[in-house]
Formats: sequence, C-alpha cells, structure tokens
Amino acid sequence: KNEVEQSPQNLTAQEGEFITINCSYSVGISALHWLQQHPGGGIVSLFMLSSGKKKHGRLIATINIQEKHSSLHITASHPRDSAVYICAVRSGETSGSRLTFGEGTQLTVNP
Amino acid sequence: DGGITQSPKYLFRKEGQNVTLSCEQNLNHDAMYWYRQDPGQGLRLIYYSQIVNDFQKGDIAEGYSVSREKKESFPLTVTSAQKNPTAFYLCASRRGYTGNTIYFGEGSWLTVV
Repeated sequence: KNEVEQSPQNLTAQEGEFITINCSYSVGISALHWLQQHPGGGIVSLFMLSSGKKKHGRLIATINIQEKHSSLHITASHPRDSAVYICAVRSGETSGSRLTFGEGTQLTVNP
Repeated sequence: DGGITQSPKYLFRKEGQNVTLSCEQNLNHDAMYWYRQDPGQGLRLIYYSQIVNDFQKGDIAEGYSVSREKKESFPLTVTSAQKNPTAFYLCASRRGYTGNTIYFGEGSWLTVV
C-alpha cells in the first residue's frame, strides 16, 4: 500500500461541474502539497497546507490532520483545468525532508 | 523572473553513454532536488542537496550522480550504469528551513535508443 493514495485516478467532467480529488496518507506529516502537472510535464505548486483550508480563485484545498485526508476542489470547472493533479506529503521540517508523492489524478474537463 | 530552468527539454541517448541534465535556479534557494517520473508512478527522489558542496542519495540513486559546486546549479548525470534511464526528470528547489513552497522546473524527457 502506498503511503499516499489519491482517488480517483481518472476523472472526466463537463465544463462547469464541481470537482473533488481526494488524498489519503498513512504517515505523520508536516505539510501537504497539491501540485498541477501540465500536459507538457511542467509542475506548478497550487497549495501547501498544514491545517485547515486554503482558497485560490476557483481552487479550494482542505486538510484533516486527524483523519489524514485532504481534498482539492475545483468550482466551475473549465477545460483549461485539464491536467494531472498530484498530492505530496512532507514528513519533516528541514529542507532535506522527503516529499512522498501520490500517483496523480488525471482530470479532463470537456466543453 | 525567478524560476528553475532545466535543459534540454528532450534528449536522446545511445545505450552505454552518459548524459548530463542541467538544472539552474535563480531563486536563491538552498535546497535542490532531482526526481524521476515514470508512467503510472509517482515522482521518486533521486538525489537532493541542502547546501553547496553537499548532496544526499534519495530512493533511487543507483546509476545517477550529481554535483553542487554552485548554489544555483544542480546537474544530474545519468550514467551507463542506470538500467532503465528512459523517463521524465524533474528538478525542484525550495528555500531552507523557513520556507516550504517547492518550485519545479519544466522537466526533461530522456529517451535511450
């Protein structure tokens, strides 16, 4: 069993739909990252969370430390949101502490 | 603009040859990382460096080597000892102990022919 599990692996939605991607982890963490990987391969960091909830535009990320679970929500989805979304957890505070990555969720938003 | 630059974007290598992937950052970050991504798998850590002239093996360091002679540069050499080098390679950097946001380069696609 992977230390970081994402669901679903693949998600297809219609433009305008509300989307939720889930991430569960089995280790103690100091932070959780949500990343977006574009079709060309480049990765952008969307959020870094250690507790609670963060919002940026149409994106909302939440984390429940007790349940070891995080969700990424996209409101009013758009075809340009189509990408792979990756959850990653950090288990230490130092710059050398490891990131453990989920396998990603491929999101396709159709017009 | 600050950021991470990886080169080349696409690289073909013959079996038995070493190849070096470049990673340069102008973010003044102390820590730099190399990851490998294979289809259907999460990113895996190859090497990381927290400070100039120091680096540590990650989870899949065999067949790879790195150097950190300058703060802004962290090149990765894929040696002929790497059994399955065809993959997507990502470089990343992060501020030291006080910062957590991680920044990624655009990645390099390596194909062994």
